[in-house]
Amino acid sequence: ELKVEQNPLFLSMQEGKNYTIYCNYSTTSDRLYWYRQDPGKSLESLFVLLSNGAVKQEGRLMASLDTKARLSTLHITAAVHDLSATYFCAVTGKLIFGQGTTLQVKP
Amino acid sequence: DTGVSQNPRHKITKRGQNVTFRCDPISEHNRLYWYRQTLGQGPEFLTYFQNEAQLEKSRLLSDRFSAERPKGSFSTLEIQRTEQGDSAMYLCASSSSGTAYEQYFGPGTRLTVT
Repeated sequence: ELKVEQNPLFLSMQEGKNYTIYCNYSTTSDRLYWYRQDPGKSLESLFVLLSNGAVKQEGRLMASLDTKARLSTLHITAAVHDLSATYFCAVTGKLIFGQGTTLQVKP
Repeated sequence: DTGVSQNPRHKITKRGQNVTFRCDPISEHNRLYWYRQTLGQGPEFLTYFQNEAQLEKSRLLSDRFSAERPKGSFSTLEIQRTEQGDSAMYLCASSSSGTAYEQYFGPGTRLTVT
């Protein structure tokens, strides 16, 4: 059974700090996705990673993929309050999601 | 392009009743997916369509659940004889091959079974 594990599950950080969220998955997948979800809202697509070594950046968020290690990271640079949300990684076409990482950025 | 839409946004029903949800995908997208999300969890895959063909169903989808996409455009998800455990957010997403199958999600239908 394909499993996707994220850590940490909850992250409280101060504005201006850097941190990384990790996403491990148990079998091969040719693609990995990162989504953001605000409370009570639907999911917003952040990144699509399609190959080993892929790196994508948008603003203060950068995602990378290592298919050999079955690992993706979402790095947050100089966090701001607006980044507070739950972040999900997901793999394969039909999307198997991790448990989500709830990020709380404090002023 | 108005995005993926879902109706209704909220549904409260009594146990044992049937409910039906509708999803309208982004117009040029040929794939449509249904997911279920409970509080504090990631979405769980239920089923997906390519055009009008239902290509995969999760084991989570019991016999009480049925989904259709009759003309390859909008889709419906019906739950018969609802149970309290069916209470969840039901999310629809659509994608096309041209976008690496990146899925765009609708706002969801929140079902509460009393």
